[in-house]
Amino acid sequence: DAGITQSPRHKVTETGTPVTLRCHQTENHRYMYWYRQDPGHGLRLIHYSYGVKDTDKGEVSDGYSVSRSKTEDFLLTLESATSSQTSVYFCAIRSQGANTEAFFGQGTRLTVV
Amino acid sequence: AQSVTQLDSQVPVFEEAPVELRCNYSSSVSVYLFWYVQYPNQGLQLLLKYLSGSTLVKGINGFEAEFNKSQTSFHLRKPSVHISDTAEYFCAVTPREDSSYKLIFGSGTRLLVRP
Repeated sequence: DAGITQSPRHKVTETGTPVTLRCHQTENHRYMYWYRQDPGHGLRLIHYSYGVKDTDKGEVSDGYSVSRSKTEDFLLTLESATSSQTSVYFCAIRSQGANTEAFFGQGTRLTVV
Repeated sequence: AQSVTQLDSQVPVFEEAPVELRCNYSSSVSVYLFWYVQYPNQGLQLLLKYLSGSTLVKGINGFEAEFNKSQTSFHLRKPSVHISDTAEYFCAVTPREDSSYKLIFGSGTRLLVRP
């Protein structure tokens, strides 16, 4: 299995609080991604990173920010959590190349109450 | 822009029966095509991918898919399913020239294999 660890695996938080999810990889892959999975929508890209300190927005980036200060870590922050951000969040890594396999973490189930 | 459509949200099938999960995509540029599987409470793992060459692609666990350029389809098939194939299946594309190498997913098809 590819070395990807997401933490925490489960979290319940209150509306308006900040939340940070962590993705850690041991594969030294350049590209890292945060997706959210919701019923009927599949996985939608939130943000991605193509190197240390290099990040860009995906299709559902509003309300989220990211940071990558080291190759192995990619953090997703919800500045002020809302109920619409209740979801399962997946981190993925990919080496350079559109034809390569992406590897996924186990997911973080976030509930905003 | 690209989009992926999986018309069937759920496909029930009896054990040892054949199954086809449908995937259509829309793109103005060339794409690579992928099928991923998600078992309950797990992340996604690659079943198979189409890059070029033969339009029939074989993957893990006895699955195969056929790329049809004229119909912009990439349907997934298995001739005889097992209970353990119960999972959610996602079709995805990556534009060949997109420097983000992002995957664009369909909404998923839940395969339910009954004894």
